[in-house]
Amino acid sequence: DIQMTQSPSTLSASVGDRVTITCRASRSISSWLAWYQQKPGKAPKLLIYKASSLESGVPSRFSGSGSGTEFTLTISSLQPDDFATYYCQHYYTYPWTFGQGTKVEIK
Amino acid sequence: EVQLVQSGAEVKKPGESLKISCKGSGNSFSSYWIGWVRQMPGKGLEWMGIIYLGDSDTRYSPSFQGQVTISADKSISTTYLQWSSLKASDTGMYYCVRPEEGRVDYWGQGTLVTVSS
Repeated sequence: DIQMTQSPSTLSASVGDRVTITCRASRSISSWLAWYQQKPGKAPKLLIYKASSLESGVPSRFSGSGSGTEFTLTISSLQPDDFATYYCQHYYTYPWTFGQGTKVEIK
Repeated sequence: EVQLVQSGAEVKKPGESLKISCKGSGNSFSSYWIGWVRQMPGKGLEWMGIIYLGDSDTRYSPSFQGQVTISADKSISTTYLQWSSLKASDTGMYYCVRPEEGRVDYWGQGTLVTVSS
């Protein structure tokens, strides 16, 4: 199975900060990577797919980059609504797997 | 637009059996894959398995192979997740999902399963 490792596990930031979350795959997954946002008590929401494609309706302050084994999710200017937990997920080959999550907290 | 509506919360005792459901709607639903994702309390997301509604082709993630059964009834656009003997460690939120080429663009509302003596 391909393992996905996110860093950091927790991130403290302020409104307006630029935030970057990293996701590493245990072997190459090309660009078959998605990013999700989850708020407490809610189902996750797709933000980015195919490493860098923005899902319809998602604010443009979210962006994704990377290929192969290293990927990043960037929030260009953190907004109050963005405090949440973020997960990466590969879909290169089954079994698909998620990263362990990154919680973005208010500093 | 695809909608996934899951069955309600369940409280069970260890050793009991359980089957939860996920009913889908939307165009060409029988040509979709539907998956199940577990989230244990305070923990991350875990893929359990996926099933193709057209022919019930099913794939399990290794951690869940033999632990659960995923099935479907395409005539009513419904998929199921079943346990034959629940354990306390099965407590968690279970989401049915629609993966589009692997990325999940639709999520059910979740079914909370609590297993406690």
